[in-house]
Order: sequence, then C-alpha cells, then structure tokens
Amino acid sequence: RKEVEQDPGPFNVPEGATVAFNCTYSNSASQSFFWYRQDCRKEPKLLMSVYSSGNEDGRFTAQLNRASQYISLLIRDSKLSDSATYLCVVNLGGGADGLTFGKGTHLIIQP
Amino acid sequence: NAGVTQTPKFQVLKTGQSMTLQCAQDMNHEYMSWYRQDPGMGLRLIHYSVGAGITDQGEVPNGYNVSRSTTEDFPLRLLSAAPSQTSVYFCASSRADANNEQFFGPGTRLTVL
Repeated sequence: RKEVEQDPGPFNVPEGATVAFNCTYSNSASQSFFWYRQDCRKEPKLLMSVYSSGNEDGRFTAQLNRASQYISLLIRDSKLSDSATYLCVVNLGGGADGLTFGKGTHLIIQP
Repeated sequence: NAGVTQTPKFQVLKTGQSMTLQCAQDMNHEYMSWYRQDPGMGLRLIHYSVGAGITDQGEVPNGYNVSRSTTEDFPLRLLSAAPSQTSVYFCASSRADANNEQFFGPGTRLTVL
C-alpha cells in the first residue's frame, strides 16, 4: 500500500522564526520527491523538488533521507505569506499514476 | 498561456444526476490527470491520460468516466452522482515524464445532495 505520512499540524509559528516538518514514505522504491504548497481553497503548486543531495531555494531547504525514508522542509525567517498547507508528494515512477500525495501540514505564521 | 482551466468552479447536483467537469490545458502537455480532494485526505487519483486516445484508471475510478480526444481537453463525467462524490476536483497536466511539475487547475467544488 502506498503511504505518505505527514503531521497535519497546525504549526503555529511566530514571524521570523524557523520551522521544519518531515514527511515519511513507506515504499523504499520511491524515485522522486516534491513539496507542493496549497493555499486555502486554491490549487496545489510546486514549491520545490527534493534531490538526494538536498537543495535550497532562498529561505527554503529540502532534504531527503533514503535510509530512514523521509523528506524534510525547512523554512527560515518565516513570513506571514508562508502560511499555507504543505503537501509532500512521492513518485514511485512509471508515470502519472505513480504520484502519492500526503494529506498536508498546515502552517500558520503569526505576526 | 492560460495554463490549466476548469469549469465550472462550483456545482450542486442532486443524487442520480449526471454532469461533465471540463478541463483544458494550453501547454501541450502529454499527461493529464483528475484528482479529488476530501477533508483530511490527500489528493487521490481518479483517472489519468498519457496522451490523446489513451486513458487509464487511478486509485478511485468508480462512478467516473473520462476521454481524451485531443491533447488539450480531458473531461471528467459523473455518470450518476452520489453524495459520496461531494468533493473538490482538480485537473492537472504535466510533460511526459511524471517527475516533471504537475500544473493544477483551480478546481471544481462539487456538492451532491
């Protein structure tokens, strides 16, 4: 059974703080990994792909730990506009039916 | 580019009614997919297509039909609506490799009474 697990939160974080959350996946054959952002009542949008070596995009850092089967997202100097739900997405490979979405982690940045 | 468009944005149906949710993309993407999103659940794949004339079932296909006569359009048909189909429906498209970015439409909020 395909499973991607996330802490649903909400994570309430003061503006300017650093916040991190993880996503675990059950299938060791998973090939690629992504973080999507979904604003309230909007569609998901790609935030960043997650590479084996880890990757950084501005205030956002994503890391992959294949041995422990989890990916992480770190947000530094959080902004009010970072408030959203962050979806972990894992791809088993093999095409469009290989994507599994986590239920999302709800982040609220407080002024 | 308009990206991925979906119509309607909102719809209320009575049990047993049928309807078609429209999805179109102007990015010449080969892959298109339909997902439903329910509270407390992740996005679940209903049907998908890897190109014009080719469709396949996803995780939750029962009660839905799709067709892909052109690269641009991928309509989702509800055959006989049931309250369990109350959900938010997202259409997505991507280039041929699913590792590429999924572009989602704005969603259709469907209520079945």
